[in-house]
Amino acid sequence: RKEVEQDPGPFNVPEGATVAFNCTYSNSASQSFFWYRQDCRKEPKLLMSVYSSGNEDGRFTAQLNRASQYISLLIRDSKLSDSATYLCVVNDYKLSFGAGTTVTVRA
Amino acid sequence: SQTIHQWPATLVQPVGSPLSLECTVEGTSNPNLYWYRQAAGRGLQLLFYSVGIGQISSEVPQNLSASRPQDRQFILSSKKLLLSDSGFYLCAWRGANEQYFGPGTRLTVT
Repeated sequence: RKEVEQDPGPFNVPEGATVAFNCTYSNSASQSFFWYRQDCRKEPKLLMSVYSSGNEDGRFTAQLNRASQYISLLIRDSKLSDSATYLCVVNDYKLSFGAGTTVTVRA
Repeated sequence: SQTIHQWPATLVQPVGSPLSLECTVEGTSNPNLYWYRQAAGRGLQLLFYSVGIGQISSEVPQNLSASRPQDRQFILSSKKLLLSDSGFYLCAWRGANEQYFGPGTRLTVT
């Protein structure tokens, strides 16, 4: 079983739509969680940390479900500029990266 | 603020040739540094990490090696490249918990 698993997508959504996707992790002792964004042929960039109580950053909402061992990312009011691959990252003794979920927002 | 530099940005090398990729970090001292490889359509694979000068830990067996000759310099090398070494190589440094990546080197082995 992979340490971090994500639905690769792609999720194709119209501008203004809401899109949400999950990431599952295998190590129940994992301590911290992140979402990164990666644009085509660019380096990953930190989008947001994921806190136990859930957290928002503008149109982005992250949730953590420790019992079921998954984290989620929800994007409201999608913009064309949200088109990217979103990487789930889990920290136990090292950072483990998912392969990414691709989101394409169309006009 | 911290900045990571990597060079070259792109590289095309024949099978069997040597490799040297360089990463330097500015704006921090004694950083934990990491080398990752991202193959096309795949996740990031941790190759090496270093907690200080001369200290290298290897995560996967391979024909690559890493060195840390200075506090803020991290080098990835190979004596003989394989086709399977093609990929996007990323250097990163670690903040409190998260990591920050350099711009990467895209390597194509032909």
